[in-house]
Amino acid sequence: KAGVTQTPRYLIKTRGQQVTLSCSPISGHRSVSWYQQTPGQGLQFLFEYFSETQRNKGNFPGRFSGRQFSNSRSEMNVSTLELGDSALYLCASSIEGRVEETQYFGPGTRLLVL
Amino acid sequence: AQSVTQPDIHITVSEGASLELRCNYSYGATPYLFWYVQSPGQGLQLLLKYFSGDTLVQGIKGFEAEFKRSQSSFNLRKPSVHWSDAAEYFCAVDTFTGTASKLTFGTGTRLQVTL
Repeated sequence: KAGVTQTPRYLIKTRGQQVTLSCSPISGHRSVSWYQQTPGQGLQFLFEYFSETQRNKGNFPGRFSGRQFSNSRSEMNVSTLELGDSALYLCASSIEGRVEETQYFGPGTRLLVL
Repeated sequence: AQSVTQPDIHITVSEGASLELRCNYSYGATPYLFWYVQSPGQGLQLLLKYFSGDTLVQGIKGFEAEFKRSQSSFNLRKPSVHWSDAAEYFCAVDTFTGTASKLTFGTGTRLQVTL
């Protein structure tokens, strides 16, 4: 079974631009979570989607948004990019997002904002 | 607020030596605890998890962890480290909200293995 895939793997943008990252979960997984990883703040939860609905959200500004499609694929969007948005963005999938389930992580998308 | 503390930012051990990575958590309810490993350029891989029951949990790659409620700790151990274990290790607690799982991570411990 294929793992979690994220595209693109690397991205360079300039301040003020917007960016869209994509995550395809493991087949049969309906929950997708997004995390931001930076050297200064570590791993921080962005949001979680299940059946096209956002169920949980972390403490990030409204510039960070996401959505999930009917096939469980998810996208996250960051508008008006700032230098501090440079990070590794990880997505994770699980069957239903229940606490006892294992979350499987993708390799991440590394975003550099210049 | 829920939090996870990993006191050691960087640890160096010799190949074949034993390893213990420390993790302390702060969480009001029964914690659901995890250890993940991240190799350079890779995502996170689950090593082991604790929900309830036996406080000594066995994981993959020869790792184990012990949950100690009295000390709010969940330390990761391995009796004999291999060079391929060099990576960054993250302890996490799941702050389940009733609707969805959400992981709160520690800041990580980078493990270096000398030959």
